[in-house]
Amino acid sequence: GAGVSQSPRYKVTKRGQDVALRCDPISGHVSLYWYRQALGQGPEFLTYFNYEAQQDKSGLPNDRFSAERPEGSISTLTIQRTEQRDSAMYRCASSWGASGVLSSYNEQFFGPGTRLTVL
Amino acid sequence: AQSVTQLDSHVSVSEGTPVLLRCNYSSSYSPSLFWYVQHPNKGLQLLLKYTSAATLVKGINGFEAEFKKSETSFHLTKPSAHMSDAAEYFCVVSESGTSYGKLTFGQGTILTVHP
Repeated sequence: GAGVSQSPRYKVTKRGQDVALRCDPISGHVSLYWYRQALGQGPEFLTYFNYEAQQDKSGLPNDRFSAERPEGSISTLTIQRTEQRDSAMYRCASSWGASGVLSSYNEQFFGPGTRLTVL
Repeated sequence: AQSVTQLDSHVSVSEGTPVLLRCNYSSSYSPSLFWYVQHPNKGLQLLLKYTSAATLVKGINGFEAEFKKSETSFHLTKPSAHMSDAAEYFCVVSESGTSYGKLTFGQGTILTVHP
């Protein structure tokens, strides 16, 4: 079956522009996560959703970053007024089980990522 | 709070020799621990996971890891390296409780395999 998909795969933008990154999770997966991975680092948690509800946004760096998942499926991560320090790989993951529930079915499946470059 | 330390940023081995990638973790609750692998230009793939069952965990491609609570370690091993194992490996921790599902990644270890 289809895995997690993300679009665009590559995005180059100028400082000050807004960008929207899309994540399409595996069909039926309840939870969706966003991570950011700087060059040479491991991914860092940004936010996650159970269904359409945003459960934890403690990893969003500032109020320029926001995410939504209005129908409990596709999610969009939006960065307003981009800055050069926002350049990174943005990764999305989904899992079958709802986070906050002890379950062995919480394996997160990752998409290929969106490489964002802010000039 | 949870954290992960991967003790080596780069590991280089010869094909056919053992692989050891070291990981120490810190967690306030009973942790779940994972190893993910990232091949160039590909997504992250789960190698194996520990979720409070057997302390010796076997994963894909011949890898295994042992959870040692007394040492707060979760080292990844493989008896014999293959060229296709060359990749970046991440040790990951997730805590039970309300933040369950939030993964904390280590810095990564780049594994190089020489012929």
